Amino acid sequence: EDQVTQSPEALRLQEGESSSLNCSYTVSGLRGLFWYRQDPGKGPEFLFTLYSAGEEKEKERLKATLTKKESFLHITAPKPEDSATYLCAVQASNAGNMLTFGGGTRLMVKP
Amino acid sequence: DVKVTQSSRYLVKRTGEKVFLECVQDMDHENMFWYRQDPGLGLRLIYFSYDVKMKEKGDIPEGYSVSREKKERFSLILESASTNQTSMYLCASSFHGTGGLTLHFGNGTRLTVT
Repeated sequence: EDQVTQSPEALRLQEGESSSLNCSYTVSGLRGLFWYRQDPGKGPEFLFTLYSAGEEKEKERLKATLTKKESFLHITAPKPEDSATYLCAVQASNAGNMLTFGGGTRLMVKP
Repeated sequence: DVKVTQSSRYLVKRTGEKVFLECVQDMDHENMFWYRQDPGLGLRLIYFSYDVKMKEKGDIPEGYSVSREKKERFSLILESASTNQTSMYLCASSFHGTGGLTLHFGNGTRLTVT
């Protein structure tokens, strides 16, 4: 059974204090790993797709990396507007159109 | 930009009522999905559809049905609403490609069953 575990559940940072969010996964063949951002009262918004170990993608203050067992979302010098819940999901090679989501990390950045 | 529109932001229904949640996408995506999101349980797939009139069960289909009569519209039906179906319901769509499955979500319908 595919499993995705995100840690920590919640993270409080001061503005400018860099940190990382973790997504550990177990799948029988990875087709893709996805990061989404979700603001309160809204649907998740797509950030990144990673396909193979060693791959990295960046967008503004965010950088996502992937190994064979986990992915990290690095946040460099965060701002209050980065406050949101960050969701990780995996698509297994044999899962067709189904994603398995983690529980999310709620990030709060204080000015 | 892809737009996925859910017909209601908030709904309050009574136990036993038949409930329809509607979702429309404007990007000609083949795939459409219904998820529910609950605190501590994350997003769970209820049903998805990869073509008109086609549907597949997700992880938690019990108590739900779906309808896809047109490519752009995907409806979730609660045949007889129960209090344990109180939740945030999210619709999503995507292309049916060989790459990864990038989902585009609507803003959700928060359903309360009393």
